[in-house]
Amino acid sequence: AQSVSQHNHHVILSEAASLELGCNYSYGGTVNLFWYVQYPGQHLQLLLKYFSGDPLVKGIKGFEAEFIKSKFSFNLRKPSVQWSDTAEYFCAVNAQGAGSYQLTFGKGTKLSVIP
Amino acid sequence: DAGVTQSPTHLIKTRGQQVTLRCSPISGHKSVSWYQQVLGQGPQFIFQYYEKEERGRGNFPDRFSARQFPNYSSELNVNALLLGDSALYLCASSRDTFQYEQYFGPGTRLTVT
Repeated sequence: AQSVSQHNHHVILSEAASLELGCNYSYGGTVNLFWYVQYPGQHLQLLLKYFSGDPLVKGIKGFEAEFIKSKFSFNLRKPSVQWSDTAEYFCAVNAQGAGSYQLTFGKGTKLSVIP
Repeated sequence: DAGVTQSPTHLIKTRGQQVTLRCSPISGHKSVSWYQQVLGQGPQFIFQYYEKEERGRGNFPDRFSARQFPNYSSELNVNALLLGDSALYLCASSRDTFQYEQYFGPGTRLTVT
């Protein structure tokens, strides 16, 4: 079974600082990878996804993530955060094949951006 | 287009009772998945249904069951509620089982006392 680890439970940054949130997964086969964001009081929204092709994927609101297969990682980055990026961020993986239709989520990283 | 809708928004039940949660997927989406999110954790997969058939089941006891209707809406039932069932229950829809981009609803907050 696949699992997802998010290294940071809570990250506090000042506006304009750069962001990198770590995500590692455990699964030996082909995977689809996702980052979801949950703003305060709102439901989970898809930030970006990787299915295949270019391992550097760009999402909404200036976010990007890089898939490094050899490291089983899919880290989320943003060059300059804004106060409005305050939210909880979840990394998720879907293992292709073998009838696996579920998304497996990490525990989430809470990001607080200080104006 | 309307997003995924769930009802009710909040629910308070007593231990041992039964509860039914409802979900309507995005128009055109044929697959519905259910997740449980307890405080401080990421969502945990419970079920996926596609074309009224169960396609996947997570590590949850048999007290949890679900079904999907011809209009692709879905219900999640939990019997013999335990305090530990208190959580946010999320429904997600996708176009089919091979389209893994899932869209989430706002959830139903279940409190078991």
